[in-house]
Amino acid sequence: GAVVSQHPSRVICKSGTSVKIECRSLDFQATTMFWYRQFPKQSLMLMATSNEGSKATYEQGVEKDKFLINHASLTLSTLTVTSAHPEDSSFYICSAGSGGRRDTEAFFGQGTRLTVV
Amino acid sequence: AQKITQTQPGMFVQEKEAVTLDCTYDTSDQSYGLFWYKQPSSGEMIFLIYQGSYDEQNATEGRYSLNFQKARKSANLVISASQLGDSAMYFCAMGPSYNTDKLIFGTGTRLQVFP
Repeated sequence: GAVVSQHPSRVICKSGTSVKIECRSLDFQATTMFWYRQFPKQSLMLMATSNEGSKATYEQGVEKDKFLINHASLTLSTLTVTSAHPEDSSFYICSAGSGGRRDTEAFFGQGTRLTVV
Repeated sequence: AQKITQTQPGMFVQEKEAVTLDCTYDTSDQSYGLFWYKQPSSGEMIFLIYQGSYDEQNATEGRYSLNFQKARKSANLVISASQLGDSAMYFCAMGPSYNTDKLIFGTGTRLQVFP
């Protein structure tokens, strides 16, 4: 199946700094990618839909100025957590949309565990 | 709005036994897909099985089978011959039919397999 690579897998940063997370589709073009957040012992919640060449679509309650999404190419989407605070500590995971392909295999990245101290 | 409900926060099963993880859903869409994922402690999401709303037969993938009851809006996962490596969180999810765009996840069930 298709492969999505997410980097870094783990990051610790100081409060007030920004952190960039990359999500790459390695062997296919993804016009759409999805960013999820998972707090400890909770489910995955969709944060935003990343669209190649256009603005991301954010879910209700997600601050677009805090979680900057850039999808500059068909194989790369980035999520930048700006001015991170301890409450932003979470597990962030991306997935690449199958773009209407008749496919049920999940294209999730490995996830990024962010800890803000 | 779509919703996925998993009522079992935790389940225990003995090795080699079968276990059923419950999932109910709510949607007004006629066409949709139901997915099960396994999430080990490492955090990665491992796809297990898929059921389309129009699929007449229950999906099976090796030791995994999906007990799909459309009228009751349930999509329970059955794991046969449990193995110690099956210990993980299991999430039921719903999305568009035949693709994994924009999934809605349930709260998950933590399965622990004991010897």
